[in-house]
Formats: sequence, C-alpha cells, structure tokens
Amino acid sequence: SQQGEEDPQALSIQEGENATMNCSYKTSINNLQWYRQNSGRGLVHLILIRSNEREKHSGRLRVMLDTSKKSSSLLITASRAADTASYFCAPAKSYSSASKIIFGSGTRLSIRP
Amino acid sequence: NAGVTQTPKFQVLKTGQSMTLQCAQDMNHNSMYWYRQDPGMGLRLIYYSASEGTTDKGEVPNGYNVSRLNKREFSLRLESAAPSQTSVYFCASSPAGSNTGELFFGEGSRLTVL
Repeated sequence: SQQGEEDPQALSIQEGENATMNCSYKTSINNLQWYRQNSGRGLVHLILIRSNEREKHSGRLRVMLDTSKKSSSLLITASRAADTASYFCAPAKSYSSASKIIFGSGTRLSIRP
Repeated sequence: NAGVTQTPKFQVLKTGQSMTLQCAQDMNHNSMYWYRQDPGMGLRLIYYSASEGTTDKGEVPNGYNVSRLNKREFSLRLESAAPSQTSVYFCASSPAGSNTGELFFGEGSRLTVL
C-alpha cells in the first residue's frame, strides 16, 4: 500500500497569498494525485503527476514531485476564499490495476479575508 | 451522468442493528472503494474492489463486509453496528486500466450509531 502524509496539518493565510502544502510517502510510485475536500463533501480530484514528471501546472495550481526524496508539494497561487478546504495527496503504485490508495490526514487550509 | 451515487445520505442506528450502504457508479469504472472519515480526520480505506467479483481488505476492514455484485454497484454492510462505526462513509470509483487512475467520490453517507 502507499500512504501519503501531508504537512502542515493546518495552514492559515491571507487572501491573495500563496499556499504551499507538502506530501511525503515511503514506497515507489507510478503517480501521485492531489485532492480537495470542502467541508462535509466528497473529495474532488485536482491534479495528477506521473513519476517521470517533475512539475505540472493546472490554472493556479502547481505540483512538484521529487521521487528521490519521495515528496511532493502543492502550490496554490493567489489564494481565494473558495480555496478554503482540506487537501490530500494520494500516491499510487499503478493505474493499470486497482491501487490500495490510502490518504493521510490532510492539510486544512484557511484563507483569511 | 450522475457519477457516484450513495444511499442513504443519513442513517441513525442502534447498537447491534445491521444495515447496508449502497453505492453505484455510471461511469463504467473497474475499481471501487469504500472509505470512512471520522470528524477532523483523513479518510481510511475499508475495502476496495479491483473488478466485478473481487474484493480486498483495506486499512480498517473489521466489522464490515462488502459485495461487488456487478460492475456498477459496490455495497458495504455493517452486520452489528457499534458506536465506533459512527462516521461519514465515502464510496469512490476509478477507471483503473486507463491512464488516469483518478478517484471519483460520492457525497457521503453519514451514519450515527447510538
């Protein structure tokens, strides 16, 4: 199984600032995904980065992956109130068969007006 | 498309009662998952199913059973509910076998065991 551990557990920033969250994992992976969870809702997929990629962008999201350090980071630029949510990483061994995808405790991001 | 649909959305049980949480997806996905999330915590994997007819244990399978009756549906059964099983339960599906691997989640089933 693969489990991601997010850091920090909680993060509070001013609207307009950038938010950075980190993820560490222990086993080799095929890809790593980031998800967002708004309060009381199901998780929503944000972005997937493959093990042979180092950086990926999607709108205001930037994901970096360092497989040598078994770590990833998610950067949200120019934060907005709507970015307030919990963020989870999900390292995956494979997408050719069902991976035992295990989530960490997440990073709770609060955006102050 | 509805995506991943969970029923019921809310349920209150007494200790010892049994119930089944239903999950259905209309995206023709091979893989399906059941997670639980306790207040302020992350998700913990209960069971998952790589394909129709197969199931595997996750992190916290004790007290639960699952059935993957067909490709669309993956149910979670509590045979004798305990207060420790009070939680929000999320079902997810994934197009394993494609080149994405993204999980699609339902909106959750909120279970309280008294």
